[in-house]
Amino acid sequence: MLMTQSPATLSVSPGERATLSCRASQIVTSKLAWYQQRAGQAPRLLIYGASTRATGIPARFTGSGSGTEFTLTISSLQSEDSAVYYCQYEGTFGQGTKLEIK
Amino acid sequence: QLQLQESGPGLVNPSETLSLTCIVSGDSVSSSNYYWAWVRQPPGKGLEWIASIKYSENTYYKSSLRSRVTISVDTSQNQLSLSLSSVTAADTAVYYCARLWVTAQSGNFFDYWGQGTLVTVSS
Repeated sequence: MLMTQSPATLSVSPGERATLSCRASQIVTSKLAWYQQRAGQAPRLLIYGASTRATGIPARFTGSGSGTEFTLTISSLQSEDSAVYYCQYEGTFGQGTKLEIK
Repeated sequence: QLQLQESGPGLVNPSETLSLTCIVSGDSVSSSNYYWAWVRQPPGKGLEWIASIKYSENTYYKSSLRSRVTISVDTSQNQLSLSLSSVTAADTAVYYCARLWVTAQSGNFFDYWGQGTLVTVSS
């Protein structure tokens, strides 16, 4: 199983929207999770089941997709959203997308 | 509130065995609802799942590490442990313990993480 994320790096202005992609090498139905990892911190669960926000995650974070193609959309970007974002299926993580807030 | 706290040696000599513990508070490692797991992250790189365990049930290991890894739980101390033998510089990483939620519909995901402990393999 291979999880491929794109782009590797994304630079977006505050208040705008960021779209991150994750592609699975085989069908994973909706069994996909997204994590946020800020610099120097542990990962934090954002989304599970492809589209369910974890406890305490703002509605600005939206997960979508099924099968092999998934998207994490972050709207109204804030400086605190600067982080690396990982997708995950079972024991496999994507390589991450680094989101920079201009 | 669930909290996980890893501890480890910091520095390990090549070819020796790395031993880590994770103290769990706010939940029980013998819970029938969850697995417990170790995930590592080499400096500047991505996340790598290592192993998972559910008390009195199954253990699962990353295939490439299976021959060197042992995961266990100690219910008396409510802690999770990891042993990794014959370490090399490639095992240098931040090691995280995490709670793993295994669901039929939404898949498997790590809902709580410790802060991680850095282990450096060097002589």
